[in-house]
Amino acid sequence: GENVEQHPSTLSVQEGDSAVIKCTYSDSASNYFPWYKQELGKRPQLIIDIRSNVGEKKDQRIAVTLNKTAKHFSLHITETQPEDSAVYFCAASIGGKAAGNKLTFGGGTRVLVKP
Amino acid sequence: KAGVTQTPRYLIKTRGQQVTLSCSPISGHRSVSWYQQTPGQGLQFLFEYFSETQRNKGNFPGRFSGRQFSNSRSEMNVSTLELGDSALYLCASSQVARGNEQFFGPGTRLTVL
Repeated sequence: GENVEQHPSTLSVQEGDSAVIKCTYSDSASNYFPWYKQELGKRPQLIIDIRSNVGEKKDQRIAVTLNKTAKHFSLHITETQPEDSAVYFCAASIGGKAAGNKLTFGGGTRVLVKP
Repeated sequence: KAGVTQTPRYLIKTRGQQVTLSCSPISGHRSVSWYQQTPGQGLQFLFEYFSETQRNKGNFPGRFSGRQFSNSRSEMNVSTLELGDSALYLCASSQVARGNEQFFGPGTRLTVL
């Protein structure tokens, strides 16, 4: 089955700096890659996603890049703010109506933005 | 639209008991997936229901089961509880026509004593 590895497990950055989280996946059939942010005691919240027919996607201060050949994808957060402090999870899915919605998650990255 | 809701939010049970958790998806969403979140194992997929049928299943023992009703609400059941079943159980709903975007509920925190 699919295996997703996520690095680093913890990341401490100064406010205003950039943060980068990297994930690799094993199943070349995976074609949907969401990122979730989970604040302490809260539900995971979908912040951005990318499909395999796209190499990069941006939404304000966050961006995701996908390299299908190398089977890795990354989350980039620019101009970090204290409210970006949370645990971030990457995930992969084969996707499509027939395959269903099984998400395989990475282990998570705890991001701390220091003021 | 109202988000995904789960009940109860907290549960305390003892070993050997069984428990039923409930999930109401976002209106119009027909797919409901369940995940277990623990500090040691992270987020793990349990199963997915779509149109009252189990469409996917993760690697959990048969003590974990679920079902979906005609209004898309879903329940999961854990029988013969073990200490290791203590976890946050999250459900997520998806509007199939929009692909795989999944939106999570607040979770049910299960503690097994």
